[in-house]
Amino acid sequence: GESVGLHLPTLSVQEGDNSIINCAYSNSASDYFIWYKQESGKGPQFIIDIRSNMDKRQGQRVTVLLNKTVKHLSLQIAATQPGDSAVYFCAEVGDFNKFYFGSGTKLNVKP
Amino acid sequence: ETGVTQTPRHLVMGMTNKKSLKCEQHLGHNAMYWYKQSAKKPLELMFVYNFKEQTENNSVPSRFSPECPNSSHLFLHLHTLQPEDSALYLCASSQEPAGLAGGRNEQFFGPGTRLTVL
Repeated sequence: GESVGLHLPTLSVQEGDNSIINCAYSNSASDYFIWYKQESGKGPQFIIDIRSNMDKRQGQRVTVLLNKTVKHLSLQIAATQPGDSAVYFCAEVGDFNKFYFGSGTKLNVKP
Repeated sequence: ETGVTQTPRHLVMGMTNKKSLKCEQHLGHNAMYWYKQSAKKPLELMFVYNFKEQTENNSVPSRFSPECPNSSHLFLHLHTLQPEDSALYLCASSQEPAGLAGGRNEQFFGPGTRLTVL
């Protein structure tokens, strides 16, 4: 699951701080959005999803915010831990179940 | 472990070879997916199967041929591939198709097959 060769933007945070990862989507008709986490050597892992009729959804230590006006999605991770270090990417699902994925952001948590 | 297994984990093949990737899930899911993850591109959805029927083919070249004999197994048959097809091929499954309004959409991914085409 490593993204060798892909120059991803990197977010470095201190353990215990909150992290915010952003994603811009392109299709205003997309009505479903998903955040994934991918650790090195593993497949992507579903974190949280949100539908377009909502602007916020909370999970355990994670919150997704959706701003349809500017087509922006964010993932907030509270009290970031070393185990949160991974690549995070968003996906938008539009008409006819079309999936579009972002290239991802690498989160580096410093102990 | 996500409950989705893929074999082989690594595969090296020549451009004239024919090989198959296998994906298996015993989660009782009805939808299965093939994705391609390249080093320099975002994750790309290739095929979607819902209740063993192909419902999505994202303009994938015919040298990739999917097969879904039952709701627990998904294959990707490969023939006359090109070096640019080298990538990580990921399989996923979900209870229902992602995006289905009100559906159980969480996708479970396998670990992937790292394919190298020489």
